Amino acid sequence: AQSVTQLGSHVSVSEGALVLLRCNYSSSVPPYLFWYVQYPNQGLQLLLKYTSAATLVKGINGFEAEFKKSETSFHLTKPSAHMSDAAEYFCAVSDAGNNRKLIWGLGTSLAVNP
Amino acid sequence: EAGVAQSPRYKIIEKRQSVAFWCNPISGHATLYWYQQILGQGPKLLIQFQNNGVVDDSQLPKDRFSAERLKGVDSTLKIQPAKLEDSAVYLCAWAGEYNEQFFGPGTRLTVL
Repeated sequence: AQSVTQLGSHVSVSEGALVLLRCNYSSSVPPYLFWYVQYPNQGLQLLLKYTSAATLVKGINGFEAEFKKSETSFHLTKPSAHMSDAAEYFCAVSDAGNNRKLIWGLGTSLAVNP
Repeated sequence: EAGVAQSPRYKIIEKRQSVAFWCNPISGHATLYWYQQILGQGPKLLIQFQNNGVVDDSQLPKDRFSAERLKGVDSTLKIQPAKLEDSAVYLCAWAGEYNEQFFGPGTRLTVL
């Protein structure tokens, strides 16, 4: 069965520091992969998606993620953290079956310290 | 949130009362989802519609939850009667071309 693992339920960085949020997936077929962000008291917002085109995907708010098939990873990065990046981040993979479902990671809470 | 309206945004009820949530994927999309998100957790799929039909409701507590989608557009989710553990945010979403999902702002339910 497909699964998504987000390493680190809580990550804390200083403002201006590199943000690295880790996501590993298991899938028997090339997947579609997604990162979502959830700010307090808001819904989930799509940050970026991998759809088997370029392996380095750029998203909104300066985030990007790189698909590495050999490592079954799709880590999210941002060169310089901003206070406004503090939020919950979810990695998700499209289910291998043709059922239009997403398999979700448990989320990583990002804190940005001044 | 891309093209999904939800109401109400907040609701407080007593346990054993009934409550209904409404979702309108503004542009009209074939696949619609309802999720439950308990504080501090990820989203849990409750039900998935394809047009008017139910694709998956395996995690919907059918003794108290019901959902319908009228004419393949609007959808309502109902809880009757509510329990304390139903306190959560209820999210509606639609699916894009690559199965990415676009979410509404959610309805925050508090059951007292």
